Amino acid sequence: DQQVKQNSPSLSVQEGRISILNCDYTNSMFDYFLWYKKYPAEGPTFLISISSIKDKNEDGRFTVFLNKSAKHLSLHIVPSQPGDSAVYFCAATHQGAQKLVFGQGTRLTINP
Amino acid sequence: NAGVTQTPKFQVLKTGQSMTLQCAQDMNHNSMYWYRQDPGMGLRLIYYSASEGTTDKGEVPNGYNVSRLNKREFSLRLESAAPSQTSVYFCASNADGVHYGYTFGSGTRLTVV
Repeated sequence: DQQVKQNSPSLSVQEGRISILNCDYTNSMFDYFLWYKKYPAEGPTFLISISSIKDKNEDGRFTVFLNKSAKHLSLHIVPSQPGDSAVYFCAATHQGAQKLVFGQGTRLTINP
Repeated sequence: NAGVTQTPKFQVLKTGQSMTLQCAQDMNHNSMYWYRQDPGMGLRLIYYSASEGTTDKGEVPNGYNVSRLNKREFSLRLESAAPSQTSVYFCASNADGVHYGYTFGSGTRLTVV
């Protein structure tokens, strides 16, 4: 049972436009969510996170939105840059858990 | 540089061969993890160690064994490799609380023929 789902395997966006990556979860116990970015031949690196007590968290060009009632979160990148081309993983966890649960990933391509 | 070091970076095995993937971290983290990444499947947890001396199964432990040798090192062993174990393997570590996220190694690309 996939508890964290990223239903879009890939996304292509023009440079300068907004990129929106989506993530859905099924486990109501999840109360903390993270986004990781992965370049080819490298390990994933932490990008941004959000607690369930918030509905928005912003860090520069990156904003994560959380809709708890819909069990949905999204990552917005504005404006998109060529260096943002990577695979993005959504992850979730809950208080007391000892591990993260990851989604399948979305490959983002920023076109010049 | 501080971080998580994985060896080897690449490996080709024949079906039935065994090997150990090595992982070491120098950040004094308590928890360590092994994930595998497969196309369309994302990152799936194989085994983890919440502290030195403990190990627990993750989502896909079959065919693997682990050893938490000390606080720094967490190895993953394939006793009899199968083509289904062809994947990219990532080791990660974490300080107290997964809410702070993981630090990942750069991965081991394993091909079983």
